[in-house]
Amino acid sequence: AQSVTQPDIHITVSEGASLELRCNYSYGATPYLFWYVQSPGQGLQLLLKYFSGDTLVQGIKGFEAEFKRSQSSFNLRKPSVHWSDAAEYFCAGENRDDKIIFGKGTRLHILP
Amino acid sequence: DADVTQTPRNRITKTGKRIMLECSQTKGHDRMYWYRQDPGLGLRLIYYSFDVKDINKGEISDGYSVSRQAQAKFSLSLESAIPNQTALYFCATSDPSTDEAGNYGYTFGSGTRLTVV
Repeated sequence: AQSVTQPDIHITVSEGASLELRCNYSYGATPYLFWYVQSPGQGLQLLLKYFSGDTLVQGIKGFEAEFKRSQSSFNLRKPSVHWSDAAEYFCAGENRDDKIIFGKGTRLHILP
Repeated sequence: DADVTQTPRNRITKTGKRIMLECSQTKGHDRMYWYRQDPGLGLRLIYYSFDVKDINKGEISDGYSVSRQAQAKFSLSLESAIPNQTALYFCATSDPSTDEAGNYGYTFGSGTRLTVV
């Protein structure tokens, strides 16, 4: 069955430190891959997406993600986090002409 | 105005009541979705519709029904609400025909927070 897995439920980093949020997918073929962010009390905002081509994808707010076919991963990174990055992050996947499937989310906490 | 509008934003209802959550969009997308979000469980798909005449069950459709009244409108109903349907509900749209290098993606509404007491 198709699935998206985020192994970390919570991640805590210090402000200014680098960040990596993990995401693994299980699909028959390479799906479209997305990262969304949800701030407290808000809806979902698209950070970035991967369809094909260059495996390093740049997104908004200084985020990037790297697609690694050999590891079935699409990890989200940021070189230096800000307190405003505290939120819940969702990785998601979709087969073309199908519906999107979300991971269970990783909640990011920022230490001052 | 928002591209995807959900009403109401918040609702408290009693067990056994029928309730409808509404979603309307101005994106012109054919595809619409209803998701439910629970803490620690992410977003789970309830129902989806790829056009006005197409309705499909998602992974957690029991206890829910939907109506696609028009391309722009997709309503979710709880026929007899129960407390474990307390959750945050999201509507979303997508259009797979858009340029892959351009704007393809999902647009989400702001959510409806439903509490069943």
